[in-house]
Amino acid sequence: EPEVTQTPSHQVTQMGQEVILRCVPISNHLYFYWYRQILGQKVEFLVSFYNNEISEKSEIFDDQFSVERPDGSNFTLKIRSTKLEDSAMYFCASRLGQTNTGELFFGEGSRLTVL
Amino acid sequence: ILNVEQSPQSLHVQEGDSTNFTCSFPSSNFYALHWYRWETAKSPEALFVMTLNGDEKKKGRISATLNTKEGYSYLYIKGSQPEDSATYLCAFIMYGQNFVFGPGTRLSVLP
Repeated sequence: EPEVTQTPSHQVTQMGQEVILRCVPISNHLYFYWYRQILGQKVEFLVSFYNNEISEKSEIFDDQFSVERPDGSNFTLKIRSTKLEDSAMYFCASRLGQTNTGELFFGEGSRLTVL
Repeated sequence: ILNVEQSPQSLHVQEGDSTNFTCSFPSSNFYALHWYRWETAKSPEALFVMTLNGDEKKKGRISATLNTKEGYSYLYIKGSQPEDSATYLCAFIMYGQNFVFGPGTRLSVLP
């Protein structure tokens, strides 16, 4: 069964360092998302991506964050200069269709720890 | 800011008990509501996609109802089993907007 894959599963970094989290969405899906969950808190929307551009982003997704789909398969989230409060589980998700009734398929997450 | 609430926050039941929990969302501009099950160390998986007022969906022992006019959805689990232990997330979608997740209900089923 097709699945969304994410790497790395866990990354530890120093504050101020750049981090790239990678995702391979399901191949025929058209919409891509990043969410995050800070420990003990709710799942928060970061950004959605369609047709090679950001379609929506939240207040969390400031200038320190960027997303890219460099080669038609990978979908990456870059955090330019990490802060302690960026420590969280980051989930990539994708969905097939144009309507928001299509379910999201999630990866298993990348845990980011910023020291 | 859209507010999606879920209650209770956590729940402990005995194996064989039936249980239910609630997702509350704004009743205006409703587009869809999703339920996801999120087991520890795994990724969230979709349970139900609900779009119409009065929708009732069922998958095995799990079912869900939807009331868009009053802004709530119930998830029911009949005869809970230990493998049902997970966090259950609802996600509300307003027309033209992205998914907004509730905080989740953490269910523990004790053998």
